[in-house]
Amino acid sequence: EPEVTQTPSHQVTQMGQEVILRCVPISNHLYFYWYRQILGQKVEFLVSFYNNEISEKSEIFDDQFSVERPDGSNFTLKIRSTKLEDSAMYFCASSERAGGYGYTFGSGTRLTVV
Amino acid sequence: GENVEQHPSTLSVQEGDSAVIKCTYSDSASNYFPWYKQELGKGPQLIIDIRSNVGEKKDQRIAVTLNKTAKHFSLHITETQPEDSAVYFCAASAYSGGYQKVTFGTGTKLQVIP
Repeated sequence: EPEVTQTPSHQVTQMGQEVILRCVPISNHLYFYWYRQILGQKVEFLVSFYNNEISEKSEIFDDQFSVERPDGSNFTLKIRSTKLEDSAMYFCASSERAGGYGYTFGSGTRLTVV
Repeated sequence: GENVEQHPSTLSVQEGDSAVIKCTYSDSASNYFPWYKQELGKGPQLIIDIRSNVGEKKDQRIAVTLNKTAKHFSLHITETQPEDSAVYFCAASAYSGGYQKVTFGTGTKLQVIP
């Protein structure tokens, strides 16, 4: 079964440093998303991406965040200057259609900011 | 924006018994309601979904019901097994600002006791 692949599985970074989280969505999917889950809390929407541009972003997705699809397979989330409160699991997801239909999530990247 | 409430936050059942998880949503425009299962250290996995033109859907031991008037929907798991133990998230999807956005509930930790 096709999978969404995320790397790394765990990243530890110092406060103020830049991090890039990487995702390889399912190859025929057109819609891409990043979600965040702080430990023990619900999954929160960060951003959606379609046709090489951001479709929608949440209040969490401020100027410190950016997304990019640098080539035909990767989809990245960059946090420019990490803060302690950015520590969370970050999930990438992709879907063939808009609207949340048939989301497939990756296994996540656990980001720890120290 | 959409608000999704989920209850209970934790649920323990004996193996073989049924488990019911309930969610309510606020946006009457929501028209797609997926349920996700999240096992420890993994991303959420879609297990069943229902659209607003359907009142009930069943897939083997799992069923979902939707009451559009009351704006609530439920997940029913029958004949529970230890491998059903996980965190379950409901979600609601509504069309907003040119994009259909998914909002997650707060999650239910289900423990099936052998």
